[in-house]
Amino acid sequence: SYELTQPPSLSVSPGQTASITCSGDKLGDKYVCWYQQRPGQSPVLVICQDYKRPSGIRERFSGSNSGNTATLTISGTQAMDEADYYCQAWDSSTVVFGGGTKLTVL
Amino acid sequence: QLQLQESGPGQLKPSETLSLFCTVSGGSISSSSYYWGWIRQPPGKGLEWIGSIYYTGGTYYNPSLKSRVTISVDTSKNQFSLRLSSVTAADTAVYYCAAIYGSGSWEGYYFDYWGQGTLVTVSS
Repeated sequence: SYELTQPPSLSVSPGQTASITCSGDKLGDKYVCWYQQRPGQSPVLVICQDYKRPSGIRERFSGSNSGNTATLTISGTQAMDEADYYCQAWDSSTVVFGGGTKLTVL
Repeated sequence: QLQLQESGPGQLKPSETLSLFCTVSGGSISSSSYYWGWIRQPPGKGLEWIGSIYYTGGTYYNPSLKSRVTISVDTSKNQFSLRLSSVTAADTAVYYCAAIYGSGSWEGYYFDYWGQGTLVTVSS
C-alpha cells in the first residue's frame, strides 16, 4: 500500500518560515493536499492540488510537489499557525494521509 | 456552504457494531461534484480514511477495514452512514464525516468540508 511520510514535529520562531515535508514514492506524479488541525478542532483544507489555496486561506500558505517530496511552506509563521498538519494523496481510489507534523511556534 | 453533522452512540462494547450517521445541510447529497467520506482519528494519533461513497451508492473502502465496513447513502434524508462491525478498543476514535469535492480523476478531489467529529469509545 502507498505510504506518505512526514516528520513528527517541527519548531519555528514567530515570523520565520516553516517548511513541512511529505514524502512518498513518485509523489510528484500525484496531487497533494494539506490540512491544518488545531487542537480540539476538525481538519481544515489549506492547500489542494499541490499549490492551490482555497478561499479564505492566507497567502502565506503555499505548496509545492516534485520528485518524491511535497512541501507545505508557511511564510511569516504566527502563533495561530501552531497546529498539526497532514498531507493527503490518492492511491487510485483510496485515500492516503501522512502521519502528521506537529508545528510548534515558539 | 455545506455543513455536516455526525450522530450516533458514543459508547460501545467490544464485538458490537458501530453505527454513525452524517446529515448534510446547505446542499444536496446528490450533487455530482461530491463524494462523501468517513475518516477517524484515535486519541492523540493521526487521520485514517475509512471509506467514501457517491450518491448513486458506489463505495470505496480502506483495504485494512474493508471486511468490517459498510457505508450507505440515503438521498431522501440527505444523509450517509457508517457501520463498522466487531469493534475493539482499537476502534476508539473521533469519527469525522466529510465532503470530498472534485471532478474528473480521483487525483483532483479534496476534503472540502468536515463535520465536527464524534468520539466513539469502545470499552467493556
